[in-house]
This record gives sequence, structure tokens and C-alpha cells, in this order.
Amino acid sequence: DIQMTQSPSSLSASVGDRVTITCRASQSVSTYLNWYQQKPGTAPKLLIYDASILQTGVPSRFSGSGSGTDFTLTITSLQPEDFATYYCQQSYSDLPERTFGQGTKVEIK
Amino acid sequence: QVQLVESGGGVVQPGKSLRLSCAASGFSFDTYAMHWVRQAPGKGLEWVALISFDGGYKKFADSVKGRFTISRDNSKNTLFLQLNSLTRDDTGIYYCARDRRAITVANYWFDPWGQGTLVTVSS
Repeated sequence: DIQMTQSPSSLSASVGDRVTITCRASQSVSTYLNWYQQKPGTAPKLLIYDASILQTGVPSRFSGSGSGTDFTLTITSLQPEDFATYYCQQSYSDLPERTFGQGTKVEIK
Repeated sequence: QVQLVESGGGVVQPGKSLRLSCAASGFSFDTYAMHWVRQAPGKGLEWVALISFDGGYKKFADSVKGRFTISRDNSKNTLFLQLNSLTRDDTGIYYCARDRRAITVANYWFDPWGQGTLVTVSS
């Protein structure tokens, strides 16, 4: 199985800050890496697919990069509505067992 | 608009069964693979099961294999998850989510997701 590790597990940031979340795969997943945002009490929402493509309607302050084993999600200017938990998900293997990272919680400083 | 609505959750005793449903609307349900993903209280996301567009291909996480079954009724645009032999570790919110294609092959994602239904296994 491919293992996904996110870092940090949590972070505190202020409105307007630049935030970077890292996701590392235990083996290459090419660019088959997706990011989701989950706000408390709500379902996850697809933010970025194929490592760097923004889902329709996602603000341009979000961006994704990387390939192979190392990926980043960047929020250029954190907004109040961005405080949430973010998950990476690899889709290199056809079987989605253990497909998600453990999540990164972005909290208000 | 594209919508998924889960139902069927509740409180159930260990060892008992429950059947979850996911009603789809706003898209051609019979052309997409579908997934169930769960989330234990305060924990991360765990993929549970998938089913191909026609129900001919199914896969399960090791943690539920042999206890859960997945099915779909394309005439009613509905996805199901049958949960048997439930344990306390099965407690959580169960989400249904759509795949990007008819079958799950590399480079897939989950979009959209339903709002989830809560399953609580407790005596």
C-alpha cells in the first residue's frame, strides 16, 4: 500500500498569512494527488485534483504543486473561511485503501 | 444541481446490522462509479467501499471486508451500504461520494460528497 503523510498535523495562522501544507507519498504517485477541504460539521470538498488543477469555483488563492512523492498545498492569503482541515489523497493505485493523508488542521492564531 | 443525500444511520448495538442509502440527483447516476467513505469521531477520512457504474465490480477496505456489502439500484438512482456484524470501531459519519468515471482506475477523485449519515454502535 502507498502511505500518505501530511505535515504539519496542525498549524496556527492569522488572516492574510501564507500557508503551506505538505503531503508525502511512500512511493511515486505521479501527479495523481488530490486535496480536500473539510470544515467542521460538513462533508469534505474537492479543492485540487491532479496535483495542481483547481476545481471549479475554488478561489485562486489556493494552489497545488508537486509530482512523484512530494506535494504542497498553498494558500497565499488565508481568509477566515479557510480555517478547516485539509486532506491529501493519492489515486495512483486503483484500490483506494488508505488513500488519504491524516489531515492538517488549520486553526486561527 | 448534483446532489447526494445519505440516510439510514442511527444507533445500533454491537453485532447488529444497518443499511445506509445514498440518493443521487442532478446527474446520470448509472454512468459513475460510487464510493463510501467514513470518518470516526474526531478522526480522519477512511475509504470503505466502491462499486462500478453497473455494480459489476466491487471492492472493500480490509477493515470491513466480509461484513459490509455495497450495491446500487440504477433505476432508483440510489447507492446502498449494508453494514453487518457492527463493532464500536464502525462508529462514525458515513459519506457517499461520486467517482470521476464509470470505473475506478488511477487518477480518480471523490466529488461531490453527500452530507453524511451518522452511525453509532453502542450497547
